[in-house]
Amino acid sequence: DAKTTQPNSMESNEEEPVHLPCNHSTISGTDYIHWYRQLPSQGPEYVIHGLTSNVNNRMASLAIAEDRKSSTLILHRATLRDAAVYYCILRDVRRAYSGAGSYQLTFGKGTKLSVIP
Amino acid sequence: ETGVTQSPTHLIKTRGQQVTLRCSSQSGHNTVSWYQQALGQGPQFIFQYYREEENGRGNFPPRFSGLQFPNYSSELNVNALELDDSALYLCASSLGGLRGRNQPQHFGDGTRLSIL
Repeated sequence: DAKTTQPNSMESNEEEPVHLPCNHSTISGTDYIHWYRQLPSQGPEYVIHGLTSNVNNRMASLAIAEDRKSSTLILHRATLRDAAVYYCILRDVRRAYSGAGSYQLTFGKGTKLSVIP
Repeated sequence: ETGVTQSPTHLIKTRGQQVTLRCSSQSGHNTVSWYQQALGQGPQFIFQYYREEENGRGNFPPRFSGLQFPNYSSELNVNALELDDSALYLCASSLGGLRGRNQPQHFGDGTRLSIL
């Protein structure tokens, strides 16, 4: 799987928007961009994923650059509960067609987001 | 919908011992993946089980082994424990096959294993 690069840490004030960047310059045409987050003392949880178009769900928005070499996870209004490590992961959808199992996730170190009250 | 549950939550062992960790997958999921997370690092893929068979393995030695049962729950076994095996062990369940393509993995909160 292609690699991703994220800042080690970011800070945000509570109730303000947060933009978490991810660079993936070697992304291939069949790589989906997935985001997971890990709250303290918990397992990772899925946030959002996309291929080319921007995506929105109840947790966040995903903005994908036109050349797909970077993406940004947007939390519209940070709360204290959003303090977590955020992981940007690329996943080649072709592997899903091997006919068996599911994909594995290749985690980096992620971005530790601190939210200031 | 019952989520992924892991047991025990914490465990202390000594070098050379063997350990078994357990995972109950989310209802409707037929695939279980295991990850090891050292302190300050992201989770690292150990292996995956799909319909009771191993379906992919990361860079872990053979003393890490597993099982998946007909109800899709799973066990991770580690033999000859070493100090470096101290970590958080995470289990994730998902729907495999074509129907599950691009479906998210659902993680448990892990088992914290400490080796003395």
